[in-house]
Amino acid sequence: EVRLVESGGGLVQPGGSLRLSCAASGFTFSDHYMDWVRQAPGKGLEWVGRSGNKAESYTTEYAASVKGRFIISRDDSKNSLYLQMNSLKTEDTAVYYCARGGLVAATFSGDYWGQGTLVTVSS
Amino acid sequence: IQLTQSPSSLSASVGDRVTIACRASQGISSYLAWYQQKPGKAPKLLIYAASTLQSGVPSRFSGSGSGTDFTLTISSLQSEDFATYYCQQLNFYPLTFGGGTKVEVK
Repeated sequence: EVRLVESGGGLVQPGGSLRLSCAASGFTFSDHYMDWVRQAPGKGLEWVGRSGNKAESYTTEYAASVKGRFIISRDDSKNSLYLQMNSLKTEDTAVYYCARGGLVAATFSGDYWGQGTLVTVSS
Repeated sequence: IQLTQSPSSLSASVGDRVTIACRASQGISSYLAWYQQKPGKAPKLLIYAASTLQSGVPSRFSGSGSGTDFTLTISSLQSEDFATYYCQQLNFYPLTFGGGTKVEVK
């Protein structure tokens, strides 16, 4: 059974940092693109970024709104995806989802999703 | 790439045929996915590559289109289909989602 479990959310002050983790199981993690998608309270979905798979040398891509502040990494030995969030802003407040992408880039962001973890940026 | 969904909301009854449009600001070939999201839940993939039904998704859902204009159709709306629907383009980075279409009970 495919499972994605996010952790690491919480309350952080503006300008602070937070690291989210996503623990994956039930599939060959290194084969898949992995995405982060967020949803601000009462708003729509926003793609945050992705890690390419092993075949694509783990290339990362980011939304313009987080580029230069957020870093996506993965550890295939631990079947884990990470989102390092720096210089956080109040507008980064959202539920953050980890999602399993396809085996190739341009298919989908997530055929499986985690339950989401809430990040609140507030003083 | 901007994705514009229309309508932003609609009211429908069980058994209705529902059509949701998604227009891209430039051509994206067939690199479009559709998701369904219910309140408090993670999105669920319905369709990818514009018209390929994800495994386990009921056949009343279908997708069509290429280039800039795409459509998600629910042939006969069921009670469990009341939700918000999002399109997503995967042809260009950064990937983008449409603003969503909320399907409500009439």
